[in-house]
Amino acid sequence: DTAVSQTPKYLVTQMGNDKSIKCEQNLGHDTMYWYKQDSKKFLKIMFSYNNKELIINETVPNRFSPKSPDKAHLNLHINSLELGDSAVYFCASSQVGSGGPSYNEQFFGPGTRLTVL
Amino acid sequence: DAKTTQPPSMDCAEGRAANLPCNHSTISGNEYVYWYRQIHSQGPQYIIHGLKNNETNEMASLIITEDRKSSTLILPHATLRDTAVYYCIVRPRIYNQGGKLIFGQGTELSVKP
Repeated sequence: DTAVSQTPKYLVTQMGNDKSIKCEQNLGHDTMYWYKQDSKKFLKIMFSYNNKELIINETVPNRFSPKSPDKAHLNLHINSLELGDSAVYFCASSQVGSGGPSYNEQFFGPGTRLTVL
Repeated sequence: DAKTTQPPSMDCAEGRAANLPCNHSTISGNEYVYWYRQIHSQGPQYIIHGLKNNETNEMASLIITEDRKSSTLILPHATLRDTAVYYCIVRPRIYNQGGKLIFGQGTELSVKP
């Protein structure tokens, strides 16, 4: 069973278009994240949601709008796509709170490779 | 910015132990050392974390120096499938609202037959 899934896996689109990437986790976690990995392979946090509330927003352009309809889903909508948005986008989830050693580790999805032409 | 320094690349022979170093000289008392790895074209994968004691799990061992300014991840018997980029990350153990991971450049480990 897939723990963190993303759709689509690949997305090729033209500059100026609007697109969405979806993420779902079946781990029962209450926190979800979006990371961006650019062409130089740097992984950087974009957003984090805890119980459907935005808790981290790392100075991402407001063309990017995350939406969390419930704890198991975190979608990323991108308006007016630019060439520089080409990257691999990773969704992740974690369960916060004290407890055993596995708490707070983040589980990542397989990534969505976005190419803007 | 990442608070850790790692060598950009390392090689290891298959079946031998891979020892990946990490410097975190500015680590504070409430910060843990986490290790993740990213196999090519996949999402990062959690390996292990620790505060000040050495830790071991089914994947690896983590050795943290007494002053906590550096650590070493040990893969005891490296296989070809361990070829990946390994990230050492320092961050607080968050108990309330989760926490972001700040990734550095990592170490690209190549396990060779």
